[in-house]
Order: sequence, then structure tokens, then C-alpha cells
Amino acid sequence: KAGVTQTPRYLIKTRGQQVTLSCSPISGHRSVSWYQQTPGQGLQFLFEYFSETQRNKGNFPGRFSGRQFSNSRSEMNVSTLELGDSALYLCASSSIQGAVNTEAFFGQGTRLTVV
Amino acid sequence: GNSVTQMEGPVTLSEEAFLTINCTYTATGYPSLFWYVQYPGEGLQLLLKATKADDKGSNKGFEATYRKETTSFHLEKGSVQVSDSAVYFCALIHSGYALNFGKGTSLLVTP
Repeated sequence: KAGVTQTPRYLIKTRGQQVTLSCSPISGHRSVSWYQQTPGQGLQFLFEYFSETQRNKGNFPGRFSGRQFSNSRSEMNVSTLELGDSALYLCASSSIQGAVNTEAFFGQGTRLTVV
Repeated sequence: GNSVTQMEGPVTLSEEAFLTINCTYTATGYPSLFWYVQYPGEGLQLLLKATKADDKGSNKGFEATYRKETTSFHLEKGSVQVSDSAVYFCALIHSGYALNFGKGTSLLVTP
């Protein structure tokens, strides 16, 4: 069974640009979550999608957005990049039991560097 | 709100030493608890989990017991190896949607 796949693995962007990151969840998993990891703030929750709907959102500005497609693949977009957006962006997929997520399985992440 | 507190690192141990990484949580009700491990340059891997009080999660020689009375989920291993060097994250999920992570504890095991 293939794991969670994130593309690209590495990105370098310039301040003010926008970027799109992609995540393919484990087959059969319908919930996809995104996290930002930085040395200073640790792991912070961005948002979670289930059946193409955003169910939950963390405390990030509107420059951070996402979407989920009918095949459960997800993308996140960051517009007007700032230096502080440099981070490892992690995607996680989960199956659902009842109304709640089971354990999350993570991809290897996309390392975004903003210069 | 929900939160996880884990001991600050780095932790440095000799091979075959005993490991304990403390983790306590704050949450209403009964969250599910997890330990994740992150090797350099990699994403997070689920190490073990417990979904109710007194459950013991175990994997690869690591263990953690869900203690409701002390709101703790300490990670232990009887004999660490050099290959266990990584960053360990304690996490909880409550109301089913998002993981709350601790800050992470860096472990270095020396030969």
C-alpha cells in the first residue's frame, strides 16, 4: 500500500510569489490535514479536508488556503510569500471511524525556502 | 484548549541505556494519544498510540501507557540503539480532526 506522497520535496521561492504544494493520501483515506513545521513554532495545524470540504482550520492568515479533489488528493496554496513562510510543510492522511479521524500517516514533507 | 507538554531536549544517552521521555497533556474528555518519530530530513512516522485510559501502546521496543489520573503518556525504551537517534513528538487528537503536538524531544544515542 503506497504511503502519503507529497510533491515537490523542495522548493525555493522569492518573497511575494505564490506556491502550490500537492499531497496524495493513502488509498481509501478521505481526510487530509496540513501542518507547518518550523524550528521556532514546532508543528502547527493549518487545515483539514474531508470529502472536498474544509472541516477545521488552524490559526493562519488567509494567504494560506487549500482544497481537496474528488479523488481525495489535496493542494495547499500560499500567496504573497513572506520569509517567515519558510518551513517544512507536512501532509497527513487519515481514515475515519465514526465521526473522528484515526491515526494520521504523514508524507515526507515539502521543504519551502523563501528568499 | 488542548495542549501537550513534553520534556525539552536534547537528550543524550549511551547505547543500551534506558530511555524515558515525559509527556503530559491537557484536554477535556478522553483524547487519543500518540508518539511520532522524525528522522533527519524525513516526515513523521507513527511510533505508537493509545486510545483509552490504561491502554499501553508498544512498537519496536518502545512503550507508553495512557494515564488518565496523571494526564501523562511517557515514552520508554529499555535499551536504546544508535538508530533510535531522532526527534520524538507526543501528540493528542480530540474531537477527531487535528493533532496537537508537543514541541518535540531530540534524542542522540552515542555508541
